Amino acid sequence: KAGVTQTPRYLIKTRGQQVTLSCSPISGHRSVSWYQQTPGQGLQFLFEYFSETQRNKGNFPGRFSGRQFSNSRSEMNVSTLELGDSALYLCASSRREVGLDYNEQFFGPGTRLTVL
Amino acid sequence: AQTVTQSQPEMSVQEAETVTLSCTYDTSENNYYLFWYKQPPSRQMILVIRQEAYKQQNATENRFSVNFQKAAKSFSLKISDSQLGDTAMYFCAFLQGGSEKLVFGKGTKLTVNP
Repeated sequence: KAGVTQTPRYLIKTRGQQVTLSCSPISGHRSVSWYQQTPGQGLQFLFEYFSETQRNKGNFPGRFSGRQFSNSRSEMNVSTLELGDSALYLCASSRREVGLDYNEQFFGPGTRLTVL
Repeated sequence: AQTVTQSQPEMSVQEAETVTLSCTYDTSENNYYLFWYKQPPSRQMILVIRQEAYKQQNATENRFSVNFQKAAKSFSLKISDSQLGDTAMYFCAFLQGGSEKLVFGKGTKLTVNP
């Protein structure tokens, strides 16, 4: 079974540009969560998508947005990039089965975004 | 809001020895899960071990075990017979039951020396 895949793996942008990152979950997984990892702030939750709806959101500005498609693939978009957006962006997928209190999350390899 | 604190930014251990990584957390919830994740230089986040808050028995996975002290809100990871492949960042994480939002500590960089 293929794992979580993220594309692209590396990305270089300049301030003011926008960027779109993609995450394909494990087959059968319907929930996708996004995390930002920086040396200063560590790992921070961005948002979670399930059944094409945002279910939970972290404390990030509106420049950060996402969406999920009917095949459970998810994209996140960052507009008007700032230097501080340079980070490793990780996505994780889970089955999110109804009635289960816990669903194991599986992480992708991440997208390294550098903003110049 | 939940918080997770890892007080050891870096640690080192000799191969074959035992090392313990510390983690404390703060929550008012009763239904939650605690995890240790490993992130090697390849950056792939890997689940090492999970502990359900309602279980009194400490979780064990081969060479990895935890010391879960619920009243003290402490959750340490013990790695026995350390191997070179254990070199990685280790993150302690909290998950409220029914949620998908993981709250991570800042991590501990573990180096296993030959």
